Amino acid sequence: DIQMTQSPSSLSASVGDRVTITCRASQSISRYLNWYQQKPGKAPKVLIYAASSLQSGVPSRFSGSGSGTDFTLTISSLQPEDFVIYFCQQVYITPLTFGGGTKVEIK
Amino acid sequence: EVQLVESGGVVVQPGGSLRLSCAASGFTFDDYAMHWVRQAPGKGLEWVSIISWDGGSTYYADSVKGRFTISRDNSENSLYLQMNSLRTEDTALYYCAKDVAARHAEYFQHWGQGTLVTVSS
Repeated sequence: DIQMTQSPSSLSASVGDRVTITCRASQSISRYLNWYQQKPGKAPKVLIYAASSLQSGVPSRFSGSGSGTDFTLTISSLQPEDFVIYFCQQVYITPLTFGGGTKVEIK
Repeated sequence: EVQLVESGGVVVQPGGSLRLSCAASGFTFDDYAMHWVRQAPGKGLEWVSIISWDGGSTYYADSVKGRFTISRDNSENSLYLQMNSLRTEDTALYYCAKDVAARHAEYFQHWGQGTLVTVSS
């Protein structure tokens, strides 16, 4: 199975900060990598698919990059509603696997 | 508007069985692959299973293989998860999710609100 390692597991930042979350796959997954955001008590919501494609309706402050084994999610200017949890997911091969999550907290 | 509504979650004893349902509306159900994903309380996401648009292909997480069975009824716009030999570690909120592809996984565009399964004696 492909292991997805997210880092950091949590981070503290301020409104307006630029933050980067990293996801590393245990083997190459090309660009078969998605990012989700989960707010408390809610189902996850897709932000980025295929490593760098922005889902319709998602603010442009979110961006994704990477290929092979190393990927990043960048939030260019944190807004109050962005202080939640983010997960990466590989869809290269079953079993599909998620990263452990990154909790973005207010500093 | 796409809607996915899960049901069937209850408290069940270890070794017991349960069938979850997901009622879909607002899209052409038999055009898309569907998934089950679970989340243990306070934990991360774990993919459980996928079924292709026609039910012809199914895949499972190693943790549930041989115990869980995914199925769908396209005439009823419904997705199911038959869960047997339940273990305490199966306790989680179970989500159904709609893919954007028909046969394989691309990304999960829509999710339900989840149904809670608790396995406890």
